[in-house]
Amino acid sequence: GDSVTQMEGPVTLSEEAFLTINCTYTATGYPSLFWYVQYPGEGLQLLLKATKADDKGSNKGFEATYRKETTSFHLEKGSVQVSDSAVYFCALSDRRGGSEKLVFGKGTKLTVNP
Amino acid sequence: NAGVTQTPKFRVLKTGQSMTLLCAQDMNHEYMYWYRQDPGMGLRLIHYSVGEGTTAKGEVPDGYNVSRLKKQNFLLGLESAAPSQTSVYFCASRYDRMDGYTFGSGTRLTVV
Repeated sequence: GDSVTQMEGPVTLSEEAFLTINCTYTATGYPSLFWYVQYPGEGLQLLLKATKADDKGSNKGFEATYRKETTSFHLEKGSVQVSDSAVYFCALSDRRGGSEKLVFGKGTKLTVNP
Repeated sequence: NAGVTQTPKFRVLKTGQSMTLLCAQDMNHEYMYWYRQDPGMGLRLIHYSVGEGTTAKGEVPDGYNVSRLKKQNFLLGLESAAPSQTSVYFCASRYDRMDGYTFGSGTRLTVV
């Protein structure tokens, strides 16, 4: 079945450091890919998405490129801020596979220190 | 545009009590979902619905029931609460299978 594997945290960085959170997936069809962010005490918010191969999703300085050849959707940001401290979830929705729900990774907790 | 609204936001129950969590969305979404989130466990799907009048079991359905009598509402019921049901509950919805979810802000439930 479909699955998402993302790097386990926690990840601790200093402000202005470069961030990469790895995400790879397994899907039978042609998935849409998503990154969600969950700030402390809040619900999940959609951060960015990509719907086809080579698409790049971007938002708030974060980027992720849909790589079909490596089945990956790594999240990157060039210079993190303390306010980026949160848990990040990678997810997929397989349009062809008939899946009725998103498949989530386990989440990666990011802490950014001043 | 309210999005997905969950009520209540917080609740403390005694073991054996019952309660209903309400999820309401105003986006005309077909699909609705109930998840629970526990520390270190990520998100686990309880039940979901692919349209008005339909429900289906997720990964951890035991001890919960759901109803989707109206398209905009998805109710999660606990008939006899247990301490193991202490968790944060999230509702989510989406328009179709190509779409991502819109989440509610969560209900923090404690069963003592």
